[in-house]
Amino acid sequence: KAGVTQTPRYLIKTRGQQVTLSCSPISGHRSVSWYQQTPGQGLQFLFEYFSETQRNKGNFPGRFSGRQFSNSRSEMNVSTLELGDSALYLCASSLVASGSLGTGELFFGEGSRLTVL
Amino acid sequence: KQEVTQIPAALSVPEGENLVLNCSFTDSAIYNLQWFRQDPGKGLTSLLLIQSSQREQTSGRLNASLDKSSGRSTLYIAASQPGDSATYLCAVRDSNYQLIWGAGTKLIIKP
Repeated sequence: KAGVTQTPRYLIKTRGQQVTLSCSPISGHRSVSWYQQTPGQGLQFLFEYFSETQRNKGNFPGRFSGRQFSNSRSEMNVSTLELGDSALYLCASSLVASGSLGTGELFFGEGSRLTVL
Repeated sequence: KQEVTQIPAALSVPEGENLVLNCSFTDSAIYNLQWFRQDPGKGLTSLLLIQSSQREQTSGRLNASLDKSSGRSTLYIAASQPGDSATYLCAVRDSNYQLIWGAGTKLIIKP
């Protein structure tokens, strides 16, 4: 069974540009959540999607957005990139939404490492 | 506001030793707690998930315990191996269903 797939794995952008990252969850998983990981702030929750609806959102500016498609694949977009957006962006999938009964176990992809110059 | 702390930040032990990693949280109102490992430059691998109603979970050489009343979880690794070297992170699902992360413990197992 294939795991969570994130693309691209590495990318370099310049300030002011925008970027789109993609995440394909484990087959059958309908919940996708996104996290930002930096050496200074550690792991921080961005947002969670379930059945194409945003269920939860972390404390990030509106430049960070996401969406989920009917096949559960998800994309996140960061507009007007800043140097501080350089990070490892991790996607996780889960069988159920975070507020549902069930295991809620998260399975992560390898991440997309974004460098902003 | 939920806060998660992992102590120590780094730990180095000889191969073969049993060891314990600690995770503490400030608000006992959690839904579950999950332990992960992260290898350098890689994503996270789920190790164990403990629901709030459970006291412990075991997988192979790993055993995780949860004491909600004291706000603590421990990850016990038996007979450590060099391949166990990684950063171990714990995360709690808080009352708002958000995952709150610890900063991690970097573990080095010396051959």
